Amino acid sequence: AQSVTQLGSHVSVSEGALVLLRCNYSSSVPPYLFWYVQYPNQGLQLLLKYTSAATLVKGINGFEAEFKKSETSFHLTKPSAHMSDAAEYFCAVSRTGGGNKLTFGTGTQLKVEL
Amino acid sequence: GAGVSQSPRYKVAKRGQDVALRCDPISGHVSLFWYQQALGQGPEFLTYFQNEAQLDKSGLPSDRFFAERPEGSVSTLKIQRTQQEDSAVYLCASSLERGRGGEPQHFGDGTRLSIL
Repeated sequence: AQSVTQLGSHVSVSEGALVLLRCNYSSSVPPYLFWYVQYPNQGLQLLLKYTSAATLVKGINGFEAEFKKSETSFHLTKPSAHMSDAAEYFCAVSRTGGGNKLTFGTGTQLKVEL
Repeated sequence: GAGVSQSPRYKVAKRGQDVALRCDPISGHVSLFWYQQALGQGPEFLTYFQNEAQLDKSGLPSDRFFAERPEGSVSTLKIQRTQQEDSAVYLCASSLERGRGGEPQHFGDGTRLSIL
């Protein structure tokens, strides 16, 4: 079985501050890990993915995430928050052989304040 | 160049009615997924198609839920005798490859279903 845990259902940062959204995974086999963003009344948009090629993954909109096997973590960061980053963020895991279906965390709502 | 298209965007039904939700995936995408997203939660897997074959329906919550993709393109999720607990956003996603690990899924904007 595989799962992800997102610590903190709500995160608030000031504009220009560091964004750190936490994700820990549990998987019996090497996982594929994803971060998606969801804006109100929209579907999910892929930010970045980890597929074992490199532990530091760069995504769109200045986001990046680092895969740390020893900590079973895949935290999402962005050096400087922008107002447009306010949204809900989901970490997800999949594995080969499972049809690539995604198992999502419960999400973290990011608020960016002036 | 269109993305995944879902219709209707919003559906209101009375308890006990049947509903049908449509998903039009990205052209050429082999894999198609349905997810259910309850309010304030992450999406949960319902079912998966590879072309017209339904390879995994382990996430369907009851036998009132039925999905099909007869020609390997458009898919329909049908819910019979709807219940209030069926109220959720239903998301469809497609991906290019045949269930290969790491292949990103492209999501539609979802259908928000409200059961009165």
